[in-house]
Amino acid sequence: TQLLEQSPQFLSIQEGENLTVYCNSSSVFSSLQWYRQEPGEGPVLLVTVVTGGEVKKLKRLTFQFGDARKDSSLHITAAQPGDTGLYLCAGDPNTGNQFYFGTGTSLTVIP
Amino acid sequence: KAGVTQTPRYLIKTRGQQVTLSCSPISGHRSVSWYQQTPGQGLQFLFEYFSETQRNKGNFPGRFSGRQFSNSRSEMNVSTLELGDSALYLCASSLNMGPGELFFGEGSRLTVL
Repeated sequence: TQLLEQSPQFLSIQEGENLTVYCNSSSVFSSLQWYRQEPGEGPVLLVTVVTGGEVKKLKRLTFQFGDARKDSSLHITAAQPGDTGLYLCAGDPNTGNQFYFGTGTSLTVIP
Repeated sequence: KAGVTQTPRYLIKTRGQQVTLSCSPISGHRSVSWYQQTPGQGLQFLFEYFSETQRNKGNFPGRFSGRQFSNSRSEMNVSTLELGDSALYLCASSLNMGPGELFFGEGSRLTVL
């Protein structure tokens, strides 16, 4: 059973387009993290959101944590080929470094 | 500074064998967590070690075990391997017990034949 469902599962877009990835759960999390994983590598942390309703921007990436702390979204503006990778959300149930990872969104940005 | 180092990177075993994977965390990091990544289940938490003690354990059978040494290096062991154990095993280090930022290694890809 996956606690965190991500959509879409796969996304292929042209360079310059915008996209949004969703991470949904029926559970409340103390915080939520977003990671990007490239082939042959481990996930790399992009951001941590803690407060319900929080919005964080990282250059062309905008992250939002839902008001009820059950869901989150990642919006990428003007996608570039370097954004290609597997995007993972991870919920913190407040038990150490035990995170529940989402199902993942595989993004391909075509030049 | 050096990142998280996992060895071996690739290994092939047969059913019934056992395997030991090693993880060296970032210098100064005291927490080591292990995750299993498969196409079907994604990343799933195995266990977390801090100060040589297992602090949290995921929902995996007892065939999966681990330990942490005084220098924070960690090993995980899988006994009586099954085909379904084929996966990428990721080690993540963190400065302290979480929740915190996880720094992942490149993983050990295990194939069970």
